[in-house]
Amino acid sequence: AQKVTQAQTEISVVEKEDVTLDCVYETRDTTYYLFWYKQPPSGELVFLIRRNSFDEQNEISGRYSWNFQKSTSSFNFTITASQVVDSAVYFCALSEGLGGATNKLIFGTGTLLAVQP
Amino acid sequence: DTGVSQDPRHKITKRGQNVTFRCDPISEHNRLYWYRQTLGQGPEFLTYFQNEAQLEKSRLLSDRFSAERPKGSFSTLEIQRTEQGDSAMYLCASSLGLAGNSYNEQFFGPGTRLTVL
Repeated sequence: AQKVTQAQTEISVVEKEDVTLDCVYETRDTTYYLFWYKQPPSGELVFLIRRNSFDEQNEISGRYSWNFQKSTSSFNFTITASQVVDSAVYFCALSEGLGGATNKLIFGTGTLLAVQP
Repeated sequence: DTGVSQDPRHKITKRGQNVTFRCDPISEHNRLYWYRQTLGQGPEFLTYFQNEAQLEKSRLLSDRFSAERPKGSFSTLEIQRTEQGDSAMYLCASSLGLAGNSYNEQFFGPGTRLTVL
């Protein structure tokens, strides 16, 4: 069964604090993809990152970094020096299979991040 | 604007009425997805098209729901005899599906928020 768990429902931080959003996934496939999307108050889902199951290298993009660990089935997302504009709901998602498959996304329930000025 | 567009953005209807939503994907994208998002939850997969063929439907897609993509470009999602439980945000996404092991991320539209009174 495919499942994504985001145990943190809401997180509140003060601007400039670092914050880590947790994501744990379940899948039986050996080939899969993991994603993070941001959903600001406007509602549109914004793609942030994709990782495939064969690439466990951590990635940094500006203030964002991602830690992928297959041993614990986790794909955590850290925002360094948070800003008010980071306030949004963040979703972790899983897609199984290769490029020829449906590639539907299985989303977690999301983490609401509130960054206070 | 070359992103995914959806129309209408908001729809209020009375229980028992039929509603139809439209999605225009990114022009070169051959794959199109419909998702439903209820309050406080992540998006849930409804159905998937590759070009004009509907290749997968979720169990969430009851007989009252029908989706089409007649010419492999825009898509419509119709809900017949709406129920209050149908109230949700309906999201459309598109991607460029390639053969083999590659994967391209899904780009989401702004969604249609349906309220059934």
